Amino acid sequence: GAGVSQTPSNKVTEKGKYVELRCDPISGHTALYWYRQSLGQGPEFLIYFQGTGAADDSGLPNDRFFAVRPEGSVSTLKIQRTERGDSAVYLCASSLTAGGAYEQYFGPGTRLTVT
Amino acid sequence: GENVEQHPSTLSVQEGDSAVIKCTYSDSASNYFPWYKQELGKGPQLIIDIRSNVGEKKDQRIAVTLNKTAKHFSLHITETQPEDSAVYFCAASIVDTGFQKLVFGTGTRLLVSP
Repeated sequence: GAGVSQTPSNKVTEKGKYVELRCDPISGHTALYWYRQSLGQGPEFLIYFQGTGAADDSGLPNDRFFAVRPEGSVSTLKIQRTERGDSAVYLCASSLTAGGAYEQYFGPGTRLTVT
Repeated sequence: GENVEQHPSTLSVQEGDSAVIKCTYSDSASNYFPWYKQELGKGPQLIIDIRSNVGEKKDQRIAVTLNKTAKHFSLHITETQPEDSAVYFCAASIVDTGFQKLVFGTGTRLLVSP
């Protein structure tokens, strides 16, 4: 079946601009995660949704970052007043969670470049 | 919080050789350890995982071992093929009511030469 999809695949924006990154999880997966991957590093946790609510947003670096999942499926990561240090690949993952199924499946990511 | 260290950072082998990647974790409460393969320009792909109630798990040419006492786990790839070339990441998490925040290692770039 269809995997996790993310749009856009690439986003170039100017410093100070606002961006939105979208994630479509695997159908039926209740848990959704956002991670950020800098060059040469492993992914770093940003935020986790169980259904519509953000169950843990402890990884968001500051209040310029915000994410929503209004209907418990698609999620949008929003970054205000972008800075060059926000440049990274933003990865989304989803998980079934029911019945002890904890495996997280990742999308291809959105490469964000802030100039 | 949890800290995961991974080594080596790069690993070059000849086709047909075995490859071993090792990780250590700091939080003794961690109980789920997945391994991901990431090819250039793609997202991480889950290749195998192990839970803390199991010491070893095998799937064809790949296997993972876990030593809870020493807090380390390893990925073993046998009969390597050029298509195994990629960056491999280990991760650790505490599974709690379905939520698992993955903490990743820094990755190992595996190059398999024909």
